[in-house]
Amino acid sequence: KAGVTQTPRYLIKTRGQQVTLSCSPISGHRSVSWYQQTPGQGLQFLFEYFSETQRNKGNFPGRFSGRQFSNSRSEMNVSTLELGDSALYLCASSSRDTGEKLFFGSGTQLSVL
Amino acid sequence: EDKVVQSPLSLVVHEGDTVTLNCSYEVTNFRSLLWYKQEKKAPTFLFMLTSSGIEKKSGRLSSILDKKELFSILNITATQTGDSAVYLCAVEARGNTPLVFGKGTRLSVIA
Repeated sequence: KAGVTQTPRYLIKTRGQQVTLSCSPISGHRSVSWYQQTPGQGLQFLFEYFSETQRNKGNFPGRFSGRQFSNSRSEMNVSTLELGDSALYLCASSSRDTGEKLFFGSGTQLSVL
Repeated sequence: EDKVVQSPLSLVVHEGDTVTLNCSYEVTNFRSLLWYKQEKKAPTFLFMLTSSGIEKKSGRLSSILDKKELFSILNITATQTGDSAVYLCAVEARGNTPLVFGKGTRLSVIA
């Protein structure tokens, strides 16, 4: 079974630009969660989608948004990028069959210059 | 607010040593505690501990959960260089709430 796939792996943007990250969950998983990881803060929860609906949302500004498609693939978008948005963005999928434990992708490393 | 604190933040040991990583937590309506290993980018699942499973073991790794004192430990015996990684602890509350992660412990095992 293929794992969680995130694209792109690396991204370099400048302040003020916007970016879209993509995540394909494990086949059959309907829940997709997004986390931001920085050296100082660890993993911070962004949002979770389940069956195309946002089920949970973390404490991030409205510049961070996401969506989920009918095939469970998910995208997250960050608009008006700031230097502090530089981070590893991790996507994870889960299903009730796995006891809701998360399976992570390898992440997208975003650098904002 | 749910909270997870891991200690130490970093640790350097020699191959063959035994290490103990700590995780304390505060969470309303506790459901489970999970340990992950992050070597490069993708955290990989190690253990899930719940009220009905407070001790887990896999090879040289073991973990226990103390629900009364609100902490968990991850033990690694006979460490190898391949154990070098960031170890993440996370807690889950009941009701489809997201996992809350600690900042992790960076373990370096030197030959």
